[in-house]
Amino acid sequence: EVQLVESGGGLVQPGGSLRLSCAASGFSFSDHYMDWVRQAPGRGLEWVGRTRNKANSYTTEYAASVKGRFTISRDESKNSVYLQMNSLKTEDTAVYYCALAVPAASRYYMDVWGKGTTVTVSS
Amino acid sequence: DIQMTQSPSSLSASVGDRVTITCRASQGISNYLAWFQQKPGQAPKSLIYAASSLQSGVPSKFSGSGSGTDFTLTISSLQPEDFATYYCHHYYSYPLTFGGGTKVEIK
Repeated sequence: EVQLVESGGGLVQPGGSLRLSCAASGFSFSDHYMDWVRQAPGRGLEWVGRTRNKANSYTTEYAASVKGRFTISRDESKNSVYLQMNSLKTEDTAVYYCALAVPAASRYYMDVWGKGTTVTVSS
Repeated sequence: DIQMTQSPSSLSASVGDRVTITCRASQGISNYLAWFQQKPGQAPKSLIYAASSLQSGVPSKFSGSGSGTDFTLTISSLQPEDFATYYCHHYYSYPLTFGGGTKVEIK
């Protein structure tokens, strides 16, 4: 069974940093794309970024709202994907989900989601 | 960026009703469209991918259709467990984007 468990959320001051983790199990980690998606309180879903699989050198894509501040990385030995968040702003306050993206035709869609971890940016 | 516009943003329906939600993309996305269901306090759950392919384990009362820019999600007979917020999502190009959501409430 595929499982994704996020951790690392908490309260941080504006301008601060935080690193989120997503521990994956139940599938071949290096073969799959992984996404981060966030949801601000009472709002809709916003894609944050993606890391491709090992065959595609774990390259990354980001939303414009986080590019240059957030970095996605992976650790094969721990079957984990990370979201390093720097220069945090109050508008980054949200529940952050990681999701397993699987192929359909020539694209990848989000198949399984973790339960999320909450990040609050406030002074 | 491709904008995804869902309508309506909310609707009230009764148990047993047939419900249709529409999603329009600002440019053609072929069939690279997914639908998600989210209940309060829970993570989104995948229902449909490739516009009309039902995710494993999802009941057949859910169906999707469309291609290009116009898509629909239909729930054939609404049950109490279906009251939730539904999101469309394109995965055609970067940045990936979601519709604003449709909240399905009990009448």
